[in-house]
Amino acid sequence: AQSVTQLGSHVSVSEGALVLLRCNYSSSVPPYLFWYVQYPNQGLQLLLKYTSAATLVKGINGFEAEFKKSETSFHLTKPSAHMSDAAEYFCAVTPWTGDYKLSFGAGTTVTVRA
Amino acid sequence: NAGVTQTPKFRVLKTGQSMTLLCAQDMNHEYMYWYRQDPGMGLRLIHYSVGEGTTAKGEVPDGYNVSRLKKQNFLLGLESAAPSQTSVYFCASTHQDRGRMTFFGQGTRLTVV
Repeated sequence: AQSVTQLGSHVSVSEGALVLLRCNYSSSVPPYLFWYVQYPNQGLQLLLKYTSAATLVKGINGFEAEFKKSETSFHLTKPSAHMSDAAEYFCAVTPWTGDYKLSFGAGTTVTVRA
Repeated sequence: NAGVTQTPKFRVLKTGQSMTLLCAQDMNHEYMYWYRQDPGMGLRLIHYSVGEGTTAKGEVPDGYNVSRLKKQNFLLGLESAAPSQTSVYFCASTHQDRGRMTFFGQGTRLTVV
């Protein structure tokens, strides 16, 4: 079974500072990996996904994530936070084969200080 | 471009009442899912379907039933609602051949009193 661990349930950053959200997965075979964002009272929107084509993945809104097999990690970064980045972020995995079920981390809430 | 549509968006139930949540997708996706979201727990899979006429249990299926009579619709039923089922429910769908892209509905906020 796949599991996902997101370190830190809350992250507070200053506007213009680096955003770093951590995600580690447990799987014997590297899975598909995703980052989703959820703004208040909305559904989930895909930020980016890793599908083995490249270890550094660029997503929307200036976010990117790096897949590191040796560390079983897929951390999300953004060089300069904007007030509009305040949201909840979820890391998720799904195996290469099977029924495409997503397994989610517990989520990290990002607060951006002016 | 409707994508995944959930109805209703909000509902308050009394303990013991029943209801059905409807999910409709217009992307011809084979796979559909129902998740519940609770604070600090991320999204947990309730039931899912890999095609019309099929359903399977997810991580937290107790107290819920589902049906997928048509490819585009996936219904989630609560036969006898309990306060523990107070949650935000999300429907999602995935196409088997398009890069594992999963699309989510806007959610249904359910309160059981």
